[in-house]
Amino acid sequence: DGGITQSPKYLFRKEGQNVTLSCEQNLNHDAMYWYRQDPGQGLRLIYYSQIVNDFQKGDIAEGYSVSREKKESFPLTVTSAQKNPTAFYLCASTSHRAPVNIQYFGAGTRLSVL
Amino acid sequence: DAKTTQPTSMDCAEGRAANLPCNHSTISGNEYVYWYRQIHSQGPQYIIHGLKNNETNEMASLIITEDRKSSTLILPHATLRDTAVYYCIAISGNTPLVFGKGTRLSVIA
Repeated sequence: DGGITQSPKYLFRKEGQNVTLSCEQNLNHDAMYWYRQDPGQGLRLIYYSQIVNDFQKGDIAEGYSVSREKKESFPLTVTSAQKNPTAFYLCASTSHRAPVNIQYFGAGTRLSVL
Repeated sequence: DAKTTQPTSMDCAEGRAANLPCNHSTISGNEYVYWYRQIHSQGPQYIIHGLKNNETNEMASLIITEDRKSSTLILPHATLRDTAVYYCIAISGNTPLVFGKGTRLSVIA
């Protein structure tokens, strides 16, 4: 089935450790996005990429890094510089060629600090 | 991006229509109105979108006022599974979505 796959579903990070969240899509979508959601809050944009080998910072990019080497993949690394990483992380994608911006979301990764 | 304003929460009896309002008084001519919902601990799900005309699909109807300054999402026969947070977003082109806190809809048996 077509869709967006995020892994792992749950992730634990130790102090000072970098962790990478995976996001893969087989929808042939051009643009991909990473959002962070804290309890009771809306989604906040971390990074987005509209084309391979290019990406832009969102509203809360500090402490995070991304890469877009393949159209299908947009991994997010939570670095040790992110002092409060505990949150629900959501990946989304959309077709750049569409006249409208309908984003499709993965099931999310819940990150906690040990 | 136009700022949107939604009520914090709403209740609806099961089987009744749920009408969720959204104010977007600063919307510009090329901005679409999108509705998404998020069921607890899941990723958001696209529901419907519109520009000027009213729209209907298998999930919901979207009513946009003639001046485009507000809209209403209608779930015609709400079920317990419609309990979720509903987000109204107004953007143009491929601008990243901006999610506010949305409306928490509770469908009550």
